[in-house]
Order: sequence, then C-alpha cells, then structure tokens
Amino acid sequence: QKEVEQNSGPLSVPEGAIASLNCTYSDRGSQSFFWYRQYSGKSPELIMSIYSNGDKEDGRFTAQLNKASQYVSLLIRDSQPSDSATYLCAVSPGGNEKLTFGTGTRLTIIP
Amino acid sequence: GAVVSQHPSWVICKSGTSVKIECRSLDFQATTMFWYRQFPKQSLMLMATSNEGSKATYEQGVEKDKFLINHASLTLSTLTVTSAHPEDSSFYICSATGGHSPLHFGNGTRLTVT
Repeated sequence: QKEVEQNSGPLSVPEGAIASLNCTYSDRGSQSFFWYRQYSGKSPELIMSIYSNGDKEDGRFTAQLNKASQYVSLLIRDSQPSDSATYLCAVSPGGNEKLTFGTGTRLTIIP
Repeated sequence: GAVVSQHPSWVICKSGTSVKIECRSLDFQATTMFWYRQFPKQSLMLMATSNEGSKATYEQGVEKDKFLINHASLTLSTLTVTSAHPEDSSFYICSATGGHSPLHFGNGTRLTVT
C-alpha cells in the first residue's frame, strides 16, 4: 500500500527559528513531491514542489529530496506566527496524477 | 493566477437528502478534477478522479452510487452526495489541473448532515 508518513506533531518552534518538517514515502516509483500548507478550515495551498534530488529554495522555504532514502523535508527559515498551520506532504507517481497525502504536521510558531 | 471556485462553501442538510457541490475552473480548462474528503484532524483522502467527458474513477471503498460525479465540461465538475447521512459530514475539496498546469484546489465545502 502506498503511504506517505509524517510526524503529526504538534511541532512548536520559537519565532525567528528554523522549522524542520519531515516526510517519508513508500512508493519508490514516486516522481513528484509537494508541500502544502493548510490553515484550519481552509483548503491546502501549495508551498513547494520538488522533482529531483537535492535542495530547492524559494524565499524562506527550502525543500529537500532524497529519493534513495525516500525522504523529503521542508525547512522554514525565520519562522513567523503566520506560518502556524498544518503542513501536508504529498507524493505523486507523475506530474499531476493523483496525489497521496500524508496526515500532516501541525506547526505552531511561538511569538 | 489560476483559480478554482467551489460552491457552496458550507451546507447543512437533513439526513436522507441529496447535496450537490460544484467545482469550477475559472481561467483554465480543467481536463482532470479530483475530489477529496477530509475528516477533522485527518489528511485529505482521494475519493475519485474525473476526466472531462468520461466516467469518474473511484478509489477503493468509495461508493460510486452514493457520490455521483459529473464532469460534463472542461470548466465544471459536480459531486452529489445522495441520501446523505451524518457520517457523510466532512470537508469536501476539489482540485483541478489542465494537464501540465499545477494542481489548484478549491476552497472546500463543509457539509453537515443533521
């Protein structure tokens, strides 16, 4: 069974620090990896996408992918209270084929 | 940017009635739409995949006769929850893609069945 696993948290990080979110996946055939942010009662919004091994940076966010270890992570630098949300890791076998979501990690940034 | 509009944003209905949820792509042609369901403090679970002009593909355990999906045009897909029961109360979210375009999510529909 294809699975995406995340630590459910909650993860508490002081404002200004680095938040580190981790995700592992079971399907070695996965090619596309996404991080979504979901505020309570809202639908997910795409934060980062990554398709090849290594790091990808976008502003305060850095996604890291290691296909050999079947591991993808998201780093949030200079954490802000507005970053407090649930972060969902999603994996796809291709481009926009159906996504398999992890259970999400609830992140709280402490002012 | 591309927008997916979902309507209604919330609905309350009585047990045994049917509810229709609409998902529209506003500025792109959505060849594929996905319907997800999310229970409180759980992740999104894919219910079905719909391609324009063809029958939806349902995930294992999702009753196709209970959750009717229609994707009659490149900009509209609908999900009808038939004979709704309290256990169907959930957050229903659609997403759409035009193939090579990124996946865009609607704002979700909070369904409460009393």
